[in-house]
Amino acid sequence: EAEVAQSPRYKITEKSQAVAFWCDPISGHATLYWYRQILGQGPELLVQFQDESVVDDSQLPKDRFSAERLKGVDSTLKIQPAELGDSAMYLCASSPLASYNEQFFGPGTRLTVL
Amino acid sequence: KQEVTQIPAALSVPEGENLVLNCSFTDSAIYNLQWFRQDPGKGLTSLLLIQSSQREQTSGRLNASLDKSSGRSTLYIAASQPGDSATYLCAVRLNSGNTPLVFGKGTRLSVIA
Repeated sequence: EAEVAQSPRYKITEKSQAVAFWCDPISGHATLYWYRQILGQGPELLVQFQDESVVDDSQLPKDRFSAERLKGVDSTLKIQPAELGDSAMYLCASSPLASYNEQFFGPGTRLTVL
Repeated sequence: KQEVTQIPAALSVPEGENLVLNCSFTDSAIYNLQWFRQDPGKGLTSLLLIQSSQREQTSGRLNASLDKSSGRSTLYIAASQPGDSATYLCAVRLNSGNTPLVFGKGTRLSVIA
């Protein structure tokens, strides 16, 4: 069964360092989402891509966060510099263009900023 | 702004009990509603998806209902098992098309053997 892949699964970094997360959506899924989930909260959207284009990045802290999906397939989310408040689970999801219904989530990257 | 609330925040039940998890949303103009399961430190697994025109969906021991006009959904779990222990998240999609989900904070369920 096809799955959304994410790496790394866990990342520990010190504040002011740069971190990067990678996501490979299910093959053929045109839409890709990055969500952030703080412990005890529900996920919140950071950025949404349709193919290689950004559809919604209104909640992305653009002074330190960046996201790209250059070839419309896999995606990278970067934080530079990391802050203590960035500690969270970063979840990637994808959905096919033909069916708007369901989003499929990856296992997430757990980030701890010390 | 759409807000999603889940009650209770945590629930502990003995094995075998039937239970109900509640979800409410402030804007009834939703496209669909989805229930997810999340195990500690893991990603989200989709359980049930209800379109706005539907009243309920069933999968095995799970049944989800939707009352769009009142802004409510319930997830019913029959004959609970220790393996059902997880956090259950409710999320709504506001529009058709590939719009993002708006999540509640979840209900943390513990089923005691």
